[in-house]
Amino acid sequence: NAGVMQNPRHLVRRRGQEARLRCSPMKGHSHVYWYRQLPEEGLKFMVYLQKENIIDESGMPKERFSAEFPKEGPSILRIQQVVRGDSAAYFCASSPMSGFLRNQPQHFGDGTRLSIL
Amino acid sequence: AQTVTQSQPEMSVQEAETVTLSCTYDTSESDYYLFWYKQPPSRQMILVIRQEAYKQQNATENRFSVNFQKAAKSFSLKISDSQLGDAAMYFCAYKNGANSKLTFGKGITLSVRP
Repeated sequence: NAGVMQNPRHLVRRRGQEARLRCSPMKGHSHVYWYRQLPEEGLKFMVYLQKENIIDESGMPKERFSAEFPKEGPSILRIQQVVRGDSAAYFCASSPMSGFLRNQPQHFGDGTRLSIL
Repeated sequence: AQTVTQSQPEMSVQEAETVTLSCTYDTSESDYYLFWYKQPPSRQMILVIRQEAYKQQNATENRFSVNFQKAAKSFSLKISDSQLGDAAMYFCAYKNGANSKLTFGKGITLSVRP
């Protein structure tokens, strides 16, 4: 399967624990985006990364949330000391590049549903 | 900041009939792109159709077409010959030509009556 791979599909954490969500972009894609979807809402942009660089983190909460996209391996969205309000579906998307291909659509993974007990 | 508005939370259509889903957006940019995504109960985000703002011709993809009114900042989706598998949430999304992030509307739930 050459699509965007996210794991786990479902993640349950207790308040105060850490959550790590992983995303492997489509083959040949070097740009990764993370979005959060609250119940009955649209997706909200969180962060945009290229390999080893954060390009736009304007949608990231100032505390407890971080993201990385290392040279090797998947992109990781990390949530420290989770709270009930972090319960949501987290989607990752990838695209080949910006520039002249900037009109290329983003391809989405199936999402990770995070539940906080 | 750009905003995307989908004012209808729900719509229903009879199988084989045509339905139009509305979307408006607000931007001061001239270079941008518009998309419709479908999210079935499985929660996948599936690209349905896209439109470049610089193109006057409305995009079409099989049974799906858009009515892009640039001056009115309107981007509606028309689904012809509706099928049961079309039942899903539909999200309108905007992307600035110079910025890669997508801005989504709140979505509309479409149900298809057999």
